[in-house]
Amino acid sequence: KQEVTQIPAALSVPEGENLVLNCSFTDSAIYNLQWFRQDPGKGLTSLLLIQSSQREQTSGRLNASLDKSSGRSTLYIAASQPGDSATYLCAFYTNAGKSTFGDGTTLTVKP
Amino acid sequence: GAVVSQHPSWVICKSGTSVKIECRSLDFQATTMFWYRQFPKQSLMLMATSNEGSKATYEQGVEKDKFLINHASLTLSTLTVTSAHPEDSSFYICSVAGYNEQFFGPGTRLTVL
Repeated sequence: KQEVTQIPAALSVPEGENLVLNCSFTDSAIYNLQWFRQDPGKGLTSLLLIQSSQREQTSGRLNASLDKSSGRSTLYIAASQPGDSATYLCAFYTNAGKSTFGDGTTLTVKP
Repeated sequence: GAVVSQHPSWVICKSGTSVKIECRSLDFQATTMFWYRQFPKQSLMLMATSNEGSKATYEQGVEKDKFLINHASLTLSTLTVTSAHPEDSSFYICSVAGYNEQFFGPGTRLTVL
């Protein structure tokens, strides 16, 4: 069974810092990986999608990488802003469509 | 990507009543939809896979008689929480299976008193 671990569980940084969120998984037979943000009491906002044949994706200040051999994905946030404060979730999908989510990293960016 | 809506966005009900949550794919014909549940400060847990025109596939530990799923068309799947109890209070989120990713609805917050 796929297990997904996100470290750290919570992170607090001052505005402007660059930061890395980590996601590790146990089963390398993934189809793709997706990073989301979730604001309190809200649904999910998709940030980046990496297919299993890709190694990274970039969108603005966000960069996500995927290393299947080591079972890891990272989300890099450059020049963090208070508006980036949210919970960040990673999710892995199998080609059967099954998904497994990590428990998330709650990020607080202090002005 | 696909636009997914859920209705209602929140609902409060008395213990013992049944609640129906709708998930609509507004611009995408969804053969497969997924239903998730999220408890406070926890991640999303897949409850079931909803396939248009056939019975849903439930994850281990999810009672199919309690969480009734109907996927009668390519744009609508419903989740009915039957005889709801306070422990069913949660955030329910549906998603639509696209070509290589899922598109999520905004979620429905259920509170059972």
